[in-house]
Parts: sequence; structure tokens; C-alpha cells
Amino acid sequence: SQTIHQWPATLVQPVGSPLSLECTVEGTSNPNLYWYRQAAGRGLQLLFYSVGIGQISSEVPQNLSASRPQDRQFILSSKKLLLSDSGFYLCAWSLAGGGQYFGPGTRLTVT
Amino acid sequence: GENVEQHPSTLSVQEGDSAVIKCTYSDSASNYFPWYKQELGKRPQLIIDIRSNVGEKKDQRIAVTLNKTAKHFSLHITETQPEDSAVYFCAATPYNQGGKLIFGQGTELSVKP
Repeated sequence: SQTIHQWPATLVQPVGSPLSLECTVEGTSNPNLYWYRQAAGRGLQLLFYSVGIGQISSEVPQNLSASRPQDRQFILSSKKLLLSDSGFYLCAWSLAGGGQYFGPGTRLTVT
Repeated sequence: GENVEQHPSTLSVQEGDSAVIKCTYSDSASNYFPWYKQELGKRPQLIIDIRSNVGEKKDQRIAVTLNKTAKHFSLHITETQPEDSAVYFCAATPYNQGGKLIFGQGTELSVKP
């Protein structure tokens, strides 16, 4: 069966510091991968998605970036965090035509 | 692009009653409509989905209906239980866009014992 991992689970970072969140999927090949952000009490905002290695589509212009160095690895990065970057970051995977399955998430607080 | 509207934003029912959450979408080419349940502090969980070639789908106490002509779909929960309390999100998948989901704003369902 498929499993999706995210780390770290929680993170507290000062404004202006860099960020790297990692997501890996096990048990499947060539998944579509997604990064979402959820502000407290709000909906799910799609940040990036990828249909293959090195292929990244950005949904929202901001100070975040994403990379997919391996088939089942998806990384979310920032060079300088803003207060507004605080939130619950969720990675998800899907196969073509199927539903998306979310990882456990990373709760980021920027101070 | 696709836009999904979800109503109501909050819903309170008595245990044993039914709950209905409605969503509308704008892109007639969207072809896949999942529903997610998110408990406080947890990840969203896929609970049921429907494709554009089907009008209704049931799974025990939950069902989803789709009206392609009107571009709306609904989640029905019967015999609600306190553990059904959560935020529910509908979503639509635009055709040929990497499977990305456009989510509704969410409905906070509270089931009172």
C-alpha cells in the first residue's frame, strides 16, 4: 500500500530564515505531487504541483519554491520566511485520474 | 479557471438527523469530484468521490450526487453521529491539469448528541 511522509511535523522559524520541507511517497511510481497551505481555520490553498521529475507548476506567486529531485520526493523551500508564511503545510499525492491523499502535514510558525 | 463554491459554511444537526452540503463548480470540463473530511489538527481524508459519468454514489451512511447540467454536487450524510463532526471540503478536478484539485471553502459540521 502507499504511504506518504512529511517532516518535520512542527517547525518554529524566525522571519527571514530559510525553509525546507520534505515529502516522500512510498509504494507507488510516477505519482502526481502537490503542496498545499492551510491557514488557521481556513481552506486549502494549492501552492505547487508536479506531474514528473523536474516538472513544477506554480499556482500562487510568492516567496516559496518547490523542487522534485526524485520521482517520489517533493521539497518546498523558501530563502526568507515572512510572517504570512505561517500555516499548516500539506503534501499530497495522486495517480492520474484518481483522488489525492494527504500527508500528515507540517505546522509552521514564523515568529 | 475553475471555481468551487460551498454552502453552508457551518451546519449544526442533532445526532441521527441528516446533513447535506452543497457545492457548485464553474468549469463544465471538470470531471472528478471528491469530498474530504478534516478533523481538528489532522490531515484531510478522502471519504467519497464521484466522476462526471455517474449521477450518484453511496457508501454506507454517505452519498454524493452530481448534476452536470446545473454544475452542482452534494454530500449527504444520514443518521449522523458525533464522530461525523469535522470540516468537510468538496473539490473539483479541472480536465487535463495534472489532477490538481480546486477546493470549496469548507463546511464545519457539528453533530450534537
